[in-house]
Amino acid sequence: AAGVIQSPRHLIKEKRETATLKCYPIPRHDTVYWYQQGPGQDPQFLISFYEKMQSDKGSIPDRFSAQQFSDYHSELNMSSLELGDSALYFCASTIGGGDSPLHFGNGTRLTVT
Amino acid sequence: GEDVEQSLFLSVREGDSSVINCTYTDSSSTYLYWYKQEPGAGLQLLTYIFSNMDMKQDQRLTVLLNKKDKHLSLRIADTQTGDSAIYFCAEAPNNNDMRFGAGTRLTVKP
Repeated sequence: AAGVIQSPRHLIKEKRETATLKCYPIPRHDTVYWYQQGPGQDPQFLISFYEKMQSDKGSIPDRFSAQQFSDYHSELNMSSLELGDSALYFCASTIGGGDSPLHFGNGTRLTVT
Repeated sequence: GEDVEQSLFLSVREGDSSVINCTYTDSSSTYLYWYKQEPGAGLQLLTYIFSNMDMKQDQRLTVLLNKKDKHLSLRIADTQTGDSAIYFCAEAPNNNDMRFGAGTRLTVKP
């Protein structure tokens, strides 16, 4: 069965650079969530989209932005990267309406040096 | 995960049963979830239980839900070394973003 696809798998950036993470949800899933998981931490909710509109916002820094496109894929744009942004970034998708569980991708490991 | 609490570590012997416990605070979640995370890997949805159910069994996995006490548990029967991982309990208040516990690191000894 198709799963959530995230790219790239690994990304190394320097401080103050920008990064773009991509997420391709499971086919027919219209809702995408982004999570950040720091070392030894539980995943923290960043932002979500339903039908290409932002639906909820968590602890996403102002330096980050995201959007969902017409094909339902989503991109997380990160600017002015800081060392503390080094983390695993997960995307999850589901069918909107609240009756379906979230399915997570394998994550993008971002390292900021 | 301050609203979802789990013990951080559990160690069992291969073949024994593992029980991972979780308490949550928000009763508005339609479902409660268990995710498994192996080192360097993503979050794998293990199982989930509808909030109106008391128990759900899926092969070696049994989920028990005590809604009155807001207590969720995951029992893994005949635990194998491949079950070694971090197990996250999660709730989705108002069916919005998911909140995770800190994760329980399960170590299975041969």
